[in-house]
Amino acid sequence: DAKTTQPTSMDCAEGRAANLPCNHSTISGNEYVYWYRQIHSQGPQYIIHGLKNNETNEMASLIITEDRKSSTLILPHATLRDTAVYYCIVRVFNNAGNMLTFGGGTRLMVKP
Amino acid sequence: DTGVSQDPRHKITKRGQNVTFRCDPISEHNRLYWYRQTLGQGPEFLTYFQNEAQLEKSRLLSDRFSAERPKGSFSTLEIQRTEQGDSAMYLCASSKGRAPETQYFGPGTRLLVL
Repeated sequence: DAKTTQPTSMDCAEGRAANLPCNHSTISGNEYVYWYRQIHSQGPQYIIHGLKNNETNEMASLIITEDRKSSTLILPHATLRDTAVYYCIVRVFNNAGNMLTFGGGTRLMVKP
Repeated sequence: DTGVSQDPRHKITKRGQNVTFRCDPISEHNRLYWYRQTLGQGPEFLTYFQNEAQLEKSRLLSDRFSAERPKGSFSTLEIQRTEQGDSAMYLCASSKGRAPETQYFGPGTRLLVL
């Protein structure tokens, strides 16, 4: 699986959009971009995933660049409850099970 | 709440004791994963099951660790002769196993070995 690079930490003001970048310059054509987050002392929570196109769900939007070498997770109106570690994971999916390989993630602090 | 449950949520044990954790996945999910997470690190893969078959094990899973999923539903993870280095959060995740696969995590079991 391709390696990802994320900033170690970021701050965001409550109510503003949080934009979390991820670089995955060695991504292959069949690798998906997944985002999970982990609130303190809880299990990781699935947020969103995408292959080529931008995706949006009730939690966030995922913007993938045209060359697929980077992506941005957008939380449109961050709240204090969005304070968490955000993990960007790139992985191929095949019919065999694939573990998730977590890096260090980005520690997002949402401030009042 | 993702629908994946783990029991117990916390466990304190003395070095050398055996411990067993249980994971109940989402009912229609045929894949079940175990991960371990130490303080300040991201989760690391330990092993996974497709139904009752254990298909992959990480080199992190030493001989003291054993996992089972006897009827393809719940799973147990046992650690024998615990060591202080086993102190960690043990996470379980499940998925339907269909592309593209999304894993849903339980709340984890936090183990402290004294």
